[in-house]
Amino acid sequence: DVKVTQSSRYLVKRTGEKVFLECVQDMDHENMFWYRQDPGLGLRLIYFSYDVKMKEKGDIPEGYSVSREKKERFSLILESASTNQTSMYLCASSFVGASSYEQYFGPGTRLTVT
Amino acid sequence: TQLLEQSPQFLSIQEGENLTVYCNSSSVFSSLQWYRQEPGEGPVLLVTVVTGGEVKKLKRLTFQFGDARKDSSLHITAAQPGDTGLYLCAGAMSLYNAGNMLTFGGGTRLMVKP
Repeated sequence: DVKVTQSSRYLVKRTGEKVFLECVQDMDHENMFWYRQDPGLGLRLIYFSYDVKMKEKGDIPEGYSVSREKKERFSLILESASTNQTSMYLCASSFVGASSYEQYFGPGTRLTVT
Repeated sequence: TQLLEQSPQFLSIQEGENLTVYCNSSSVFSSLQWYRQEPGEGPVLLVTVVTGGEVKKLKRLTFQFGDARKDSSLHITAAQPGDTGLYLCAGAMSLYNAGNMLTFGGGTRLMVKP
């Protein structure tokens, strides 16, 4: 079974702190994604990566950066956390060229910024 | 305005009732997926539809892709409490795009009461 793990299930940080969210997948997937999920808004793509060291902005990249130094690991960084970044963060991965476009998700990290 | 509009946003029904969830867009999708997300977990793929007019059944769940590939529906027959969760539709805009990106709808939160 594909497994996507995220470093924390719950996280509480203060405004202005630097926050690291880690995601690891064990199925050698080329693509990895970071989304944030807010009620009524579904999943909004922050960044994605289709290869090591490659990254592309999604729909809402402002205030975030990412790092992918190894194929299995994709990190989301909040350089200076703000209260409007309080949300559920979901990591996902998928194969390149998979006709089904299926994405495999981690359990999520619920981040609260106070 | 979201590219994929889901309706209703919330649905609370009694066990044994039938229901339909809709996913609509003005854009054409090459494929469309339905995911279910349970509390504390990431979304899990239920089905992918690719061909206009396609109907797929998964036990009591029936999925349909519109003829023009702009909309989809999920029908649940004789709902059970285990069907409770957040249902998300997600579309792929082209047959292949970098990162195999998906666009997600806002979600339908279903509660089935025993």
